[in-house]
Formats: sequence, C-alpha cells, structure tokens
Amino acid sequence: GDSVTQMEGPVTLSEEAFLTINCTYTATGYPSLFWYVQYPGEGLQLLLKATKADDKGSNKGFEATYRKETTSFHLEKGSVQVSDSAVYFCALRPPEVYNTDKLIFGTGTRLQVFP
Amino acid sequence: GAGVSQSPSNKVTEKGKDVELRCDPISGHTALYWYRQSLGQGLEFLIYFQGNSAPDKSGLPSDRFSAERTGGSVSTLTIQRTQQEDSAVYLCASSLGQGANEQYFGPGTRLTVT
Repeated sequence: GDSVTQMEGPVTLSEEAFLTINCTYTATGYPSLFWYVQYPGEGLQLLLKATKADDKGSNKGFEATYRKETTSFHLEKGSVQVSDSAVYFCALRPPEVYNTDKLIFGTGTRLQVFP
Repeated sequence: GAGVSQSPSNKVTEKGKDVELRCDPISGHTALYWYRQSLGQGLEFLIYFQGNSAPDKSGLPSDRFSAERTGGSVSTLTIQRTQQEDSAVYLCASSLGQGANEQYFGPGTRLTVT
C-alpha cells in the first residue's frame, strides 16, 4: 500500500543553519504531496504542498520539490530560526480515482533550533 | 472565522467503557476526516466523510470503532468497550471537499484508557 518514509529525528541545528528533512514515498499513480507542521502546543497546519511532478511548494522560507523519478519530497530551508522548532510531517494523498481523500503521514521529524 | 473544534479536549475512561468524541468542522466544509495520533503508530487515518456518507472507512481499526456525521456538519466518533491500546490523540479535520488542497485540523481529543 501507499506509504511515506521520513528521516528519524530529532534534528538539532543552530540558528541560521541549513535544513533538510528527507521524505520519500511509495504510491500508485500520481499522489499529491504535503508538508504539515505541528508547533509546540498547537494543532497540525499545512506548511506547503505540490500536486504534480516537478512542482515546487514554498512557504515561510521552506521549499520542497515533487520528484517523481526519485519518489521524494525533501523539505529544505536555507536559514532556520528558533521559531521553526516543531514537528514536521510529510504526507501524501492518493489520486482522486481511488475515491478517497485521506492523508497518509510519515512518522514526523522533530526539529530543534538553538540560538 | 472559527476553526475546527473538538470536544472534549481530554477524556479519561476505564477499560471497557464506551466513549464519544465530537467534531465541529469549519462551516461550509463538506469533507470531514478522523485521524489518530499515538506514540506507537504515528498519525493514522481512520475515516473520511463527504457530506453524510463515508466513502472510505478503511482506517477504522476494529468494529468497536464507528463514526457518523449528521446534517453534513457535526461528526461523532464512538469507541465501544475501550481498550488501553485505544489511548491516543484523536484528530478531526475538514476541507472544502474531495481534492481540496488543505485539510484544516482541530486541536484533538486526548483519550486515556485506564
């Protein structure tokens, strides 16, 4: 079945460091891909998305490119801030032909940024 | 406007008891989803509603779990004869409909089965 694999955490970085969180997926057809973020004490919220191959999603300085050839959707940010400390979830949504709208999540990666 | 709300925020129950969890989606959102977040299993999909019908309930872990949605709005997730492994945070989300590019999540209900 469809699945998402993301790197184990925690990822610990100093402020202004470069961030990469790896995400790969297994899916039938062309899923949509998402990154969700959960800040401490808050609910899950959408960070960025890409709905077709080679699309780049971006938001708040974060970027991820939908790579069909490597089935990947790695999250990157050039310069992290303390306020980016959170848990990041990679997710996929199967194509609409399967008559489901569920999200399949990875296990989450905790990012800790220190001043 | 108001986001997705869930109640109760916390629920402690004894093993074997039934519990009901409630979700109020964002007004106008036709799609509603239940997920479960636990330490051992991560974030798992449970069930998806489009209007009052459930095209995908493949994630419900057993027949002790059921959900309904009435009036295309409020949804209730019911767990019968709770077990300790049911302890988790139950998340509800809503969206504008199938294929919409964002699901909006509620704050969750933390269920503890003792």
